[in-house]
Amino acid sequence: SQKIEQNSEALNIQEGKTATLTCNYTNYSPAYLQWYRQDPGRGPVFLLLIRENEKEKRKERLKVTFDTTLKQSLFHITASQPADSATYLCAQGTGTASKLTFGTGTRLQVTL
Amino acid sequence: ETGVTQTPRHLVMGMTNKKSLKCEQHLGHNAMYWYKQSAKKPLELMFVYNFKEQTENNSVPSRFSPECPNSSHLFLHLHTLQPEDSALYLCASSQDEARAALKAGELFFGEGSRLTVL
Repeated sequence: SQKIEQNSEALNIQEGKTATLTCNYTNYSPAYLQWYRQDPGRGPVFLLLIRENEKEKRKERLKVTFDTTLKQSLFHITASQPADSATYLCAQGTGTASKLTFGTGTRLQVTL
Repeated sequence: ETGVTQTPRHLVMGMTNKKSLKCEQHLGHNAMYWYKQSAKKPLELMFVYNFKEQTENNSVPSRFSPECPNSSHLFLHLHTLQPEDSALYLCASSQDEARAALKAGELFFGEGSRLTVL
């Protein structure tokens, strides 16, 4: 079955640095990858989607890449701020929203 | 405010109780979902409704019973649960099940109902 792994359970970085989170998938290439942000006790909030024919997507300080050779997506937050501290979830999709498979998430902590 | 409202936010129940979780979306979407989120585990899809019809039941035990009376409302009826069912239950919606992937692709989640089974 298709699996998706977020290698780091937690990541601590200093304010102003670039945070890079990794998402790896197995078996066949997903049609798209999504990234969500989840704050403690809250529901996930959609951030970005990247399709298999796209190499890179940007939104303000966020950047997502999709490497089908490495079977990996990288999620970057540039000029990170303490307000970026949250858990970030990666999800892969094969065609419909009901086929989304989520990773366990990476908890990002940005310190002053 | 995501446009998806879940009640109650917290629920404590005994194993013999019957309770229900409620979800309402104000986004005009046609697909609604129930997910279970346990500590250190990925989100698990439980049920999907597309235009009020159930399209997915991800091998969920019968002690969880969904109900979708219309495209804006979704319920999860709970009966004789086990302590291992304690988790955060998340409701989500999308424009419809298929178009979600082709267009924006995003799911809109509620804030969740934190369930504790004693």
